[in-house]
Amino acid sequence: NAGVTQTPKFQVLKTGQSMTLQCAQDMNHNSMYWYRQDPGMGLRLIYYSASEGTTDKGEVPNGYNVSRLNKREFSLRLESAAPSQTSVYFCASSEAGLAGGVYNEQFFGPGTRLTVL
Amino acid sequence: AQKITQTQPGMFVQEKEAVTLDCTYDTSDPSYGLFWYKQPSSGEMIFLIYQGSYDQQNATEGRYSLNFQKARKSANLVISASQLGDSAMYFCAMREDPYAGGTSYGKLTFGQGTILTVHP
Repeated sequence: NAGVTQTPKFQVLKTGQSMTLQCAQDMNHNSMYWYRQDPGMGLRLIYYSASEGTTDKGEVPNGYNVSRLNKREFSLRLESAAPSQTSVYFCASSEAGLAGGVYNEQFFGPGTRLTVL
Repeated sequence: AQKITQTQPGMFVQEKEAVTLDCTYDTSDPSYGLFWYKQPSSGEMIFLIYQGSYDQQNATEGRYSLNFQKARKSANLVISASQLGDSAMYFCAMREDPYAGGTSYGKLTFGQGTILTVHP
């Protein structure tokens, strides 16, 4: 099993350009998440998808959109990149069900290092 | 208010010694979970240990243990017999489970992290 995979690993964009970060998991997890990591701030949740067909905002959703393409894949799109979006982006998944479900740890992808000039 | 606070930006420990990394949290939910993750210099996030708010015993996983003091809202990570490979950033994280049947869908709130350096 590959676990959680992310592409690309590195990306440099110019201000105003758009791009999509791809994430896929092969663990049959219901829930998937996108975080960004900035120095001194830990990881902050951008968007999450509790189950296939649903998405919702996290702590820092401005400037991003997401798509839960199917149970395996959850993509993050930057429509018009800004220097403030320079960060490391992590995708994660977990077997976190709906109300009353059992929560286990989140499994993280290797991250995408994005620089916006 | 900060939900997860890690007050130690950096910690140093001698190889084979034990070290405690501090984590305090703030929640009004009756049910929640606390996690510790390790992030080595290579950047991946590695799950270490989990403590549920209703767990009676402190969690342990090999050399890792969680000193859970619910009344003080602290969930400190204890690493025994430190190894050079333990040098990394460590994050404490919390999952809140809202009352009355609500769910957080597993969302985590992370602390700022503590950089641990193990000296030979």
